[in-house]
Amino acid sequence: EAQVTQNPRYLITVTGKKLTVTCSQNMNHEYMSWYRQDPGLGLRQIYYSMNVEVTDKGDVPEGYKVSRKEKRNFPLILESPSPNQTSLYFCASRSRGLAGNTGELFFGEGSRLTVL
Amino acid sequence: QQQVKQSPQSLIVQKGGIPIINCAYENTAFDYFPWYQQFPGKGPALLIAIRPDVSEKKEGRFTISFNKSAKQFSLHIMDSQPGDSATYFCAASNNAGNMLTFGGGTRLMVKP
Repeated sequence: EAQVTQNPRYLITVTGKKLTVTCSQNMNHEYMSWYRQDPGLGLRQIYYSMNVEVTDKGDVPEGYKVSRKEKRNFPLILESPSPNQTSLYFCASRSRGLAGNTGELFFGEGSRLTVL
Repeated sequence: QQQVKQSPQSLIVQKGGIPIINCAYENTAFDYFPWYQQFPGKGPALLIAIRPDVSEKKEGRFTISFNKSAKQFSLHIMDSQPGDSATYFCAASNNAGNMLTFGGGTRLMVKP
């Protein structure tokens, strides 16, 4: 089954304790991205990756790191989490596609993070 | 500052009604406008998308209307059903596709 898998799905942590949210896709997609979802603000892009070893900042990258060492994996790293990073996080992927670089984004089921 | 503004934030309609969700954008470089549907506890999923070379696109009960000069687009749901109750997001992207900018979302409830 084609899917984007995120772990953990739920996490409560404390300020300053490093954490990693993993993301893996089995569709051989070149493009992967991380979003955070907050009420009234929709989905805001944190980082994206056009391919292996190629990453770039989205709209809200502060406090986050990513890496893309393998095509299928795109972990999100919070080196020193703070309460304002409490949010619902989504990983997404898509293929390069024929119609330019747009096309359907496939989302994971989300990771709800609470930072105390 | 949101580049894609979506309204209303929430919407309640009766079964069979036609909810309309509106979005406005600022960046004239945007040329791909998808709508995503999200059910509670799930990730968003693509519902329908349009490019600015057409003014309307229909897929089943879902229709996108696009007004390029006004930089606005909207989603209409014909004969809405309780199963359509979800959060809907409009979005916009340029052809590079590296950044998809979402609106703030509309929580739709369709009452039986």
